[in-house]
Amino acid sequence: GQQVMQIPQYQHVQEGEDFTTYCNSSTTLSNIQWYKQRPGGHPVFLIQLVKSGEVKKQKRLTFQFGEAKKNSSLHITATQTTDVGTYFCAGPSDNYGQNFVFGPGTRLSVLP
Amino acid sequence: DAGITQSPRYKITETGRQVTLMCHQTWSHSYMFWYRQDLGHGLRLIYYSAAADITDKGEVPDGYVVSRSKTENFPLTLESATRSQTSVYFCASGGQWESIQYFGAGTRLSVL
Repeated sequence: GQQVMQIPQYQHVQEGEDFTTYCNSSTTLSNIQWYKQRPGGHPVFLIQLVKSGEVKKQKRLTFQFGEAKKNSSLHITATQTTDVGTYFCAGPSDNYGQNFVFGPGTRLSVLP
Repeated sequence: DAGITQSPRYKITETGRQVTLMCHQTWSHSYMFWYRQDLGHGLRLIYYSAAADITDKGEVPDGYVVSRSKTENFPLTLESATRSQTSVYFCASGGQWESIQYFGAGTRLSVL
């Protein structure tokens, strides 16, 4: 079945440093989603990318969808303590697009 | 504006007991999902439902039963709980025409 991998599993950064997490799928994706889960919280939708090579920005967060639509990245510029949490990517598991396979997540710690 | 609520938030049970986790959403979303979250595995889909009276297995359905007699409710039952089912369980819902999933706050289940 489809697999979605993420690296790194953990990342510790000093506040103000940049952070990047990478997501790779075993199959071509029609779209990819990113979610954030704060410690003790629940996953919250951040963004969806649909087009090949698409780049979207949300303030200090930059999301990119690869040209082959098999990989994606999330880059955070100048991390803040509010960025702490686990970031998940997710890709559709079937043609209906409603079921998603989630990656294992990247846990980000930001040291003040 | 409750959105999607899960109950109970915390549950401790013993091996062999039946446990039911509740999920209720007020958005009239067509789709509802149950995930379990374990360290190192991210979110794994247990069951999902495309509409009332329509349910289907996800990645890890063994030992679980679901029903959906009403659009707004999607209970998950562990028929005979095992220690391996100790986990955090998240319910999510999504509209028919968008693939964004909205997660509940989760239920932390411990099976002793």
